[in-house]
Amino acid sequence: GENVEQHPSTLSVQEGDSAVIKCTYSDSASNYFPWYKQELGKGPQLIIDIRSNVGEKKDQRIAVTLNKTAKHFSLHITETQPEDSAVYFCAAIGGTSYGKLTFGQGTILTVHP
Amino acid sequence: DGGITQSPKYLFRKEGQNVTLSCEQNLNHDAMYWYRQDPGQGLRLIYYSQIVNDFQKGDIAEGYSVSREKKESFPLTVTSAQKNPTAFYLCASSPLAGGVKNTEAFFGQGTRLTVV
Repeated sequence: GENVEQHPSTLSVQEGDSAVIKCTYSDSASNYFPWYKQELGKGPQLIIDIRSNVGEKKDQRIAVTLNKTAKHFSLHITETQPEDSAVYFCAAIGGTSYGKLTFGQGTILTVHP
Repeated sequence: DGGITQSPKYLFRKEGQNVTLSCEQNLNHDAMYWYRQDPGQGLRLIYYSQIVNDFQKGDIAEGYSVSREKKESFPLTVTSAQKNPTAFYLCASSPLAGGVKNTEAFFGQGTRLTVV
């Protein structure tokens, strides 16, 4: 089955700096890669996603890049703000895993004012 | 408002008891999922259902059971056979129709289960 590795496990930045979180996946047939933000005591919320036919996608301060050859994808947050502090999860859906997400281990992002 | 509702938010269980966690969605989604979250770990799939009256085991199904009698509802029972049930449980749903194979999963707010 699919396996997703996420790094780093914790990330601390100053307000205004950029933050980058990286994930690798194992199933070359995977075709959907969402990123979720989870605040304390709440369920994850989708912040951006990318499909395997696209190399990059941007939505205001966040962007995701996908390298299918290397089987890795990354989340980029620019001009970070304290409210960006949360746990971020990457995920992937394998080629034979119709709708089932495999998650990375999560990154605790802390943005210091 | 459309969404996924999990209840209760907090649940305490004595050892040896079965407990049932509720998950209801009004998004008309075909698929529903149960994940378990432990501190410092990602979400792990317990069970999933793609259609009413059908469900499949995920990666950590032992000690859990589910039912899918209605499209809107996917309750999870944590049985006494689950040796370490204390965790945060998350329910999700996603649409599978419309020709798009994999789409966004929407999550509920979770149930925190503690064994006392």
